Amino acid sequence: ETGVTQTPRHLVMGMTNKKSLKCEQHLGHNAMYWYKQSAKKPLELMFVYSLEERVENNSVPSRFSPECPNSSHLFLHLHTLQPEDSALYLCASSQAEGYEQYFGPGTRLTVT
Amino acid sequence: GDSVTQMEGPVTLSEEAFLTINCTYTATGYPSLFWYVQYPGEGLQLLLKATKADDKGSNKGFEATYRKETTSFHLEKGSVQVSDSAVYFCALSVSQGGSEKLVFGKGTKLTVNP
Repeated sequence: ETGVTQTPRHLVMGMTNKKSLKCEQHLGHNAMYWYKQSAKKPLELMFVYSLEERVENNSVPSRFSPECPNSSHLFLHLHTLQPEDSALYLCASSQAEGYEQYFGPGTRLTVT
Repeated sequence: GDSVTQMEGPVTLSEEAFLTINCTYTATGYPSLFWYVQYPGEGLQLLLKATKADDKGSNKGFEATYRKETTSFHLEKGSVQVSDSAVYFCALSVSQGGSEKLVFGKGTKLTVNP
């Protein structure tokens, strides 16, 4: 596979569930990102990892927990979410911070 | 703070019509400017970029010119096709606290009818 892949593509979860989103990049990049895309709102940057270290956390609630075990993989662990967390979650990677970002197709999350 | 404002959609055009999507920005320093496109069911793809004033980015018939005096980066295409139907995002890249980040506009949905 090439580019940035995300699994699952669709996820429905209850507010008491625990689930994880997975992102994998096959581009040899050193920076990875999580974004939240909600209807009628700008794309929101959630987390940035550079060389597997978190460099930015934009005041995201603790019910979202990122993990970057290596430069190719990024996870977003979810627990006790709220209905307003329903959105498209996009992963991106770049050669380094400040370089062009390549996006995955996203995971459409619905919290019931 | 740094921000991007782009025209609200949706925009509906007929095939071969002229397209303009307005984008203005507020930033300290000298940001790089981008247009990303999101086709249905897909992630965002970089469409074009410009890194300094008066630069023109172009790709797939789309163009945008970095205008520092008007803080604008309007997207244009002379003749749109049905396959151009997508959501278009204007963005800028800024340095914050030693790291670079992208700031996006809200997106403009374009529908092109045959």
